Amino acid sequence: KQEVTQIPAALSVPEGENLVLNCSFTDSAIYNLQWFRQDPGKGLTSLLLIQSSQREQTSGRLNASLDKSSGRSTLYIAASQPGDSATYLCAVLDSGNTPLVFGKGTRLSVIA
Amino acid sequence: EPEVTQTPSHQVTQMGQEVILRCVPISNHLYFYWYRQILGQKVEFLVSFYNNEISEKSEIFDDQFSVERPDGSNFTLKIRSTKLEDSAMYFCASSEWERGEKLFFGSGTQLSVL
Repeated sequence: KQEVTQIPAALSVPEGENLVLNCSFTDSAIYNLQWFRQDPGKGLTSLLLIQSSQREQTSGRLNASLDKSSGRSTLYIAASQPGDSATYLCAVLDSGNTPLVFGKGTRLSVIA
Repeated sequence: EPEVTQTPSHQVTQMGQEVILRCVPISNHLYFYWYRQILGQKVEFLVSFYNNEISEKSEIFDDQFSVERPDGSNFTLKIRSTKLEDSAMYFCASSEWERGEKLFFGSGTQLSVL
């Protein structure tokens, strides 16, 4: 059964710092991996989707990498801003007919 | 930008009562989902729906739960007899083409069962 773990659970950084959020998954036979952003009391916003054949995806200041063989993904946020403060969720879709499996998230606070 | 709309944003109900959570997916999307998140826990899959039938469901989605697409726009989740442990944020999501496409989530319905 696929398990997704995110470390750290919470992170606080000063504005302008570059940072890395980590995601690991136990079964490397994945179809794709998505990173979501969740604001308090709000829904989930898809940030980046990496297919199993891809190594990374970029969107603005965000870069997500995927190392399927080691069961790891990272989300890199460059030049962090207070508006980046949110919970970041990693979710994996397996190759079989199984649903999206989420990690518990990393709660990010960017301090001005 | 098109978005998934959920109503109500908050629902308070007594244990044993029926609730219906409503969702309007993005209009050209074909795959619909319900997920839930109990406070402090992971987002969990409940059910997926395609071509007017359930395509996958989790162990959570027992016979107290049902889904329906009553017309061309709405997608509903019904809980027949709510329990305290059903208290959670319920998210509706949709995707355009097929399983594996980017999911678009609604802002959720916070269900509180008293």
